[in-house]
Amino acid sequence: AQKITQTQPGMFVQEKEAVTLDCTYDTSDQSYGLFWYKQPSSGEMIFLIYQGSYDEQNATEGRYSLNFQKARKSANLVISASQLGDSAMYFCAMRYYGQNFVFGPGTRLSVLP
Amino acid sequence: DAGVIQSPRHEVTEMGQEVTLRCKPISGHNSLFWYRQTMMRGLELLIYFNNNVPIDDSGMPEDRFSAKMPNASFSTLKIQPSEPRDSAVYFCASSQQGARSYGYTFGSGTRLTVV
Repeated sequence: AQKITQTQPGMFVQEKEAVTLDCTYDTSDQSYGLFWYKQPSSGEMIFLIYQGSYDEQNATEGRYSLNFQKARKSANLVISASQLGDSAMYFCAMRYYGQNFVFGPGTRLSVLP
Repeated sequence: DAGVIQSPRHEVTEMGQEVTLRCKPISGHNSLFWYRQTMMRGLELLIYFNNNVPIDDSGMPEDRFSAKMPNASFSTLKIQPSEPRDSAVYFCASSQQGARSYGYTFGSGTRLTVV
């Protein structure tokens, strides 16, 4: 069965510094999509960034980038210049063709002033 | 686009009562998902629909839970009778079916408390 692992239950980062949130996945499929979602304390799930398994370049969206290493089956989220508003839960997820998502357990990020 | 709309945002009910959660997906999205989120179990998929047809309801905890999608713009999740262990945040999400690049758009969730 496909599985997403996020080994960091909680992370701290100083404001304005960069932080990497780890995500590894387990699949035998060749075609899949990787996603990161942010869940602030208000509870909503916010889409951040997407990486396709055949994409050669790492995805970037503003301060978010995805460090995709296909051979290692990792899809780490990098947040540059952290802001206090980045404090939230972050979920890594994967989707296969025609299938629903598999979510990781999440990492709680706390940005310190 | 108003996004995925869920109602109510908060629901407090007594054990044994019927609870109905509602969801309006994004227009044009043909897949709809109901998730439950708790601290202990994280995000759990309860059921999903493609083109209004239930595809996989293996995540529905027990017969007390039922979900319907009478048309492309509306879905309900019903719990009858409710129990304290049903207390959780229930999310509805919608998406385009199939393509791996299509992410979910989540609603704001319904926080259910059963006392």
